[in-house]
Amino acid sequence: DTEVTQTPKHLVMGMTNKKSLKCEQHMGHRAMYWYKQKAKKPPELMFVYSYEKLSINESVPSRFSPECPNSSLLNLHLHALQPEDSALYLCASSQVLAGNNEQFFGPGTRLTVL
Amino acid sequence: SQQGEEDPQALSIQEGENATMNCSYKTSINNLQWYRQNSGRGLVHLILIRSNEREKHSGRLRVTLDTSKKSSSLLITASRAADTASYFCATLKGAQKLVFGQGTRLTINP
Repeated sequence: DTEVTQTPKHLVMGMTNKKSLKCEQHMGHRAMYWYKQKAKKPPELMFVYSYEKLSINESVPSRFSPECPNSSLLNLHLHALQPEDSALYLCASSQVLAGNNEQFFGPGTRLTVL
Repeated sequence: SQQGEEDPQALSIQEGENATMNCSYKTSINNLQWYRQNSGRGLVHLILIRSNEREKHSGRLRVTLDTSKKSSSLLITASRAADTASYFCATLKGAQKLVFGQGTRLTINP
C-alpha cells in the first residue's frame, strides 16, 4: 500500500469552530509532515513528526495543533482560524533516512474559513 | 526565501513536443527532487538526483544536475495531455525540511 489518505477532502468552517484534519499511511514510514499550500504557490512546511515525536514546528500559530497518535496516523487540530488560513493542507510521509527524503503525499484537504 | 527557484513560471506547448523546466538553488545539497502536482491535488514524486550524479532518466523524464552552477533541469520528452500539471523542484534544508521552488505550470495543448 503506497497511499497516503486524508479526510475530509473539503472543509468549510467558521472562525469559532473546532475541527480536525486526519491523515493515514500504512507504508511503515516513521516521518510524517503537514504542509500548507496557497493557490499558485509551492507547499510550505508546517510540522514534522519523527517516530511519533514533533521534530520540526515552523513557527506555526498555536491555532494549529498537530498530533501523532501512532506511527500510521497524523492529525491537525484547528481552532479559532482566520480567513487567511484558507488553503490546501497536505499530509506527507517518508522514511527517516539521511539522504533519502522522497515524500509520499496525500490528496489534501481543501479548507475554507469563513 | 525558497531554496529552489524555477523558470519558466508557465510553459505552454503542443502535444508531442519536449518540455524543459529549470531550477536554481542557493546552498549545497545532498540531493534534488522533482515533484508533479495535478490541479489542486497532492504531489507525486518523480525523480531524485543525488549531488554526485549529473544525469538521471526515468521513462520520458530526464533530469540533469550541475552543482557548480547550482541548477537542475527537468526534460519531459514527447509530451502528452496528461503531463499538464505544475512541476516543483525541492531540496533538503537540514535533515527533514523539504523546500520547494515556486514551480512551473505546464500546459500541453492537444
